[in-house]
Amino acid sequence: AQSVSQHNHHVILSEAASLELGCNYSYGGTVNLFWYVQYPGQHLQLLLKYFSGDPLVKGIKGFEAEFIKSKFSFNLRKPSVQWSDTAEYFCAVNARLFGNEKLTFGTGTRLTIIP
Amino acid sequence: GAVVSQHPSRVICKSGTSVKIECRSLDFQATTMFWYRQFPKQSLMLMATSNEGSKATYEQGVEKDKFLINHASLTLSTLTVTSAHPEDSSFYICSVAGAGGELFFGEGSRLTVL
Repeated sequence: AQSVSQHNHHVILSEAASLELGCNYSYGGTVNLFWYVQYPGQHLQLLLKYFSGDPLVKGIKGFEAEFIKSKFSFNLRKPSVQWSDTAEYFCAVNARLFGNEKLTFGTGTRLTIIP
Repeated sequence: GAVVSQHPSRVICKSGTSVKIECRSLDFQATTMFWYRQFPKQSLMLMATSNEGSKATYEQGVEKDKFLINHASLTLSTLTVTSAHPEDSSFYICSVAGAGGELFFGEGSRLTVL
């Protein structure tokens, strides 16, 4: 079975700081990878996704993520965070063998940006 | 992407009663919808896959008689928590798979059982 680990439970940064949130998964086959964001009081939204091709994926709001297959990682990055980036971030993985829709989520990382 | 709406957003009920949560795909015909459950400070756990016109597929450990799912049309799936107990208190979220493989989520429904 696939699993996803997000080791940072709560990250606190000042505005303009650089961000990297870790995501590791365990599954030996081909995977699709996602980062979702949940702003306070709102529903989950897709930030970016990786299916194939260039392992460096760019998403909305200046976020990007890099798929490193050898490390089973898909870390999320942003060079300069803003107060509005305060939210909960979820990494998710599915194995194409089981179909595209069945996602396994990490436990989430709460990001707090201090003005 | 698909727009997904859930109702109610919050519900409080007494122990032993049943609660129905609706999930509507407003602009997308969804043959498949997914129901997740999220405990405080924990991840989303897939409960079941709702299939239009057929029985839902439940994940291991999820009681199908407890969590009744009905997907009667391409735009509506309902989750009924039967004989709810305090341990059923949680955040229930539905989602629809888009053409690109990503999921689009509803706003979630917070259930509190007293």
